[in-house]
Amino acid sequence: LAKTTQPISMDSYEGQEVNITCSHNNIATNDYITWYQQFPSQGPRFIIQGYKTKVTNEVASLFIPADRKSSTLSLPRVSLSDTAVYYCLVERPGNAGNMLTFGGGTRLMVKP
Amino acid sequence: DAGVIQSPRHEVTEMGQEVTLRCKPISGHNSLFWYRQTMMRGLELLIYFNNNVPIDDSGMPEDRFSAKMPNASFSTLKIQPSEPRDSAVYFCASRPDSGSLYFGPGTRLTVT
Repeated sequence: LAKTTQPISMDSYEGQEVNITCSHNNIATNDYITWYQQFPSQGPRFIIQGYKTKVTNEVASLFIPADRKSSTLSLPRVSLSDTAVYYCLVERPGNAGNMLTFGGGTRLMVKP
Repeated sequence: DAGVIQSPRHEVTEMGQEVTLRCKPISGHNSLFWYRQTMMRGLELLIYFNNNVPIDDSGMPEDRFSAKMPNASFSTLKIQPSEPRDSAVYFCASRPDSGSLYFGPGTRLTVT
C-alpha cells in the first residue's frame, strides 16, 4: 500500500480553520483515503473517508485532487477539544492483504 | 453494540512473566488487528486476522509474541516471557468488509 507523509505537528487557535495535508504518491487505482483522530489514552477513531474530489461530514471535509497523490483534511473553526493526533491512511477494498499501517500522524495543538 | 472490548485495561507484571491480552471484536466484523503504541515507535501493526485466520504477522516483534483467534468473537495476544521493552499500549481493532477500523480502549502494559 502507498506510504503516506504528513507534517509532524501543527499549531492553531480556537475558531480558525485547520488544513492538514497528506501525500500518498503511490496510491493505486482502487485505494481510498481515510483519516483518523486520536486523543490521549484512547484508540484512533474514524473521521472521514474519500476516493476523489470532496467529501464533507459533520466533523470535517476531505479534499482530494484529480491525481489523488495527496489529500487535505479540513477542520472548520477548531476548538480546544480538537487537540489530537490526526492520521492519514491509504486503504484498499477488501481485507486480504490489506495491512493497515499508520504513519507518524500530525499532532495538532489548538490554543485559546 | 458495545464496541471493541479489551481486557485487562491495565496490566503490571514483572519481567519474565507471561502476559495475555484479550479482545472481543464488534459482531459481524470479519477482520481483527493488533497494534502496539509507544512514544518512540508510534502505532505499529503487529498482526491481523481475516475470518479468524492470521493473514500477516510480519509486524510481530519476535517469537515471544503470539496471537490467536479461535473464533469470530475472541482473540488473544500473548507475550512469553515479557520484557521491560514490551511496555506499551496494545490496541485491538476490528473492521467490516468495507468500512473503517474500530479501535478498542487499549491495554496499558507495564513490565518492570
